[in-house]
Formats: sequence, structure tokens, C-alpha cells
Amino acid sequence: NAGVTQTPKFQVLKTGQSMTLQCAQDMNHNSMYWYRQDPGMGLRLIYYSASEGTTDKGEVPNGYNVSRLNKREFSLRLESAAPSQTSVYFCASSVGLAGGGETQYFGPGTRLLVL
Amino acid sequence: TQLLEQSPQFLSIQEGENLTVYCNSSSVFSSLQWYRQEPGEGPVLLVTVVTGGEVKKLKRLTFQFGDARKDSSLHITAAQPGDTGLYLCAVDTGRRALTFGSGTRLQVQP
Repeated sequence: NAGVTQTPKFQVLKTGQSMTLQCAQDMNHNSMYWYRQDPGMGLRLIYYSASEGTTDKGEVPNGYNVSRLNKREFSLRLESAAPSQTSVYFCASSVGLAGGGETQYFGPGTRLLVL
Repeated sequence: TQLLEQSPQFLSIQEGENLTVYCNSSSVFSSLQWYRQEPGEGPVLLVTVVTGGEVKKLKRLTFQFGDARKDSSLHITAAQPGDTGLYLCAVDTGRRALTFGSGTRLQVQP
């Protein structure tokens, strides 16, 4: 099993460009998440999907959109990239939503630089 | 003010030394998790603690959940270079996803 995979690994964008970050999991998990990680700020939740067909905003959703394409795939789109979106983006999945100690499994991350 | 305060932010020690890192909050949680993140990778779950006062051991790592379930500590005995990484605590705030602390970055020198 590959676990959680993310593409691309690295990306450089110019301000105003758009792009989609892809995430897939092969563990048959119901819930999927997108986080961003910035120095000194830990991981902050952007969006999550409790199950196929549902998505909800997290702590920092502005400037992003998501699509839960099917049970396996959860994509994150930046419509008009801004330098403030320079970050490392992590996708994660879990059997169910957080609570009762649910384990989240993380992908290797996408490093995004917006110039 | 962050929900979870982790200390210290950075720690550089020699191989064989012992260390303790902390995760503190003014809020009460039903459970708390510790993750380790190595450079260039995503976080990996180390342990979940759910009961006040609970102590869990994972080889040389000892995790404790505070009696009031507001804080936790991670103690590493005889640190090894392989323990190098970012240690993150995380809690479920009832918002259906995890909230993470900013982490303690540990460097163990050979």
C-alpha cells in the first residue's frame, strides 16, 4: 500500500496563477484533510471532507477550494495564488473524523513557493 | 494565543542525554496525540493518550497525560540521532479535525 500520496512534490508559481494539488489514499478511509504548515505555526487545517460528497471549511480556508472527487481523492485548488500561500501543504486521511483518538495518516507534502 | 503551547521550541542535545518536552493548554481535552515529523516528510502518529494521569511508553519514549487532561509531556531517555525531528502534539477540539501545536524541533548530535 502506498498510503497517502501527493502531487506535485514541489511547485513554483507566480502571483495570480492557479494550480491544483492532488491527493489520493488507498486505505479506504472515509475522511480526508488538507493542512498547511508554516514555520513556527504548526499545521493549520484548510478544509476537510468527512466522507465522499461532503466538504467543510477549517481554520484557514480563504483563497482555497477543494473537491472530494471520490472516496480515494481529495484535491486542493488555488484559484489566484498569493505570496502568503507559500507554504508546505499536507494531505491526510483517517477512517473517521477526529475524536476518540482517531489516527490521521499524512502524505509527504507539497512545497509551494509563490513569487 | 495558540490553543496548544509547546516548549521548548528548539532543543539541541548530545546523543545519550535525556530530555523532556511539553505541551500545555488551559483547555481540557478528551484525548491528546503526539506526532513526530522528520525533515521532508509528513507527521507520523507516536501515541494517543486518553485518560488523565495516563503514562504510555514506546521504547525509550515516555508520554504522560496530565491529571486534569490539560497538558502532556514527552520524555526521551538516552536520545539517539534517529530521534531528531519535529515533535507535535495535537488535540481534537470537537470541531471534527485536529488542532496542532507549533512543535518542538529536536536535534540529537552524534
